[in-house]
Amino acid sequence: DVKVTQSSRYLVKRTGEKVFLECVQDMDHENMFWYRQDPGLGLRLIYFSYDVKMKEKGDIPEGYSVSREKKERFSLILESASTNQTSMYLCASSQTGPSYEQYFGPGTRLTVT
Amino acid sequence: QKEVEQNSGPLSVPEGAIASLNCTYSDRGSQSFFWYRQYSGKSPELIMFIYSNGDKEDGRFTAQLNKASQYVSLLIRDSQPSDSATYLCAVRFRTGGGNKLTFGTGTQLKVEL
Repeated sequence: DVKVTQSSRYLVKRTGEKVFLECVQDMDHENMFWYRQDPGLGLRLIYFSYDVKMKEKGDIPEGYSVSREKKERFSLILESASTNQTSMYLCASSQTGPSYEQYFGPGTRLTVT
Repeated sequence: QKEVEQNSGPLSVPEGAIASLNCTYSDRGSQSFFWYRQYSGKSPELIMFIYSNGDKEDGRFTAQLNKASQYVSLLIRDSQPSDSATYLCAVRFRTGGGNKLTFGTGTQLKVEL
């Protein structure tokens, strides 16, 4: 069974703080993804990684960075948190190939005050 | 901009009825199509995927794909209250690496007793 875990379910941070969200998958997947989900806007891709140390911007990368030093771990970094980054953050992973789905972690509800 | 469109709903159906959820996409060359279910406060989970024209059945669920018309649908037979959730359509477009998926904003389904 594929398992994707995220470091926190709920997180409260102050404006200007540096925030780290961690994601770990245990199925040796090449690809990992970070999304944010907001009401009415759906799932929006922030960044993804298709290999260790490789990353590509998604649709909304501004204000975020990522790190993938090991295959199983993908970190999302908010360099200076702002209130408009309050959201649900979802991590996902998948194998490579057109028929492979993405498996999601449980999500982190981040509130920036 | 590659797009995936869904009616946000809510779609209300009585228990035991057939629920029909629709999704259109912008890229005619899209490769594969996924339906996810998301309960409130939870992360998305895969129901089924389809990549060939026609119907694909799995239990009470049937996915239908029409590439010429660029739409994919999900039918849920004998709807149950436990089917009440938001259903996300996701498309793997022809271009772009890393097994990216583009998600629609989801259709909220309510199955009423």
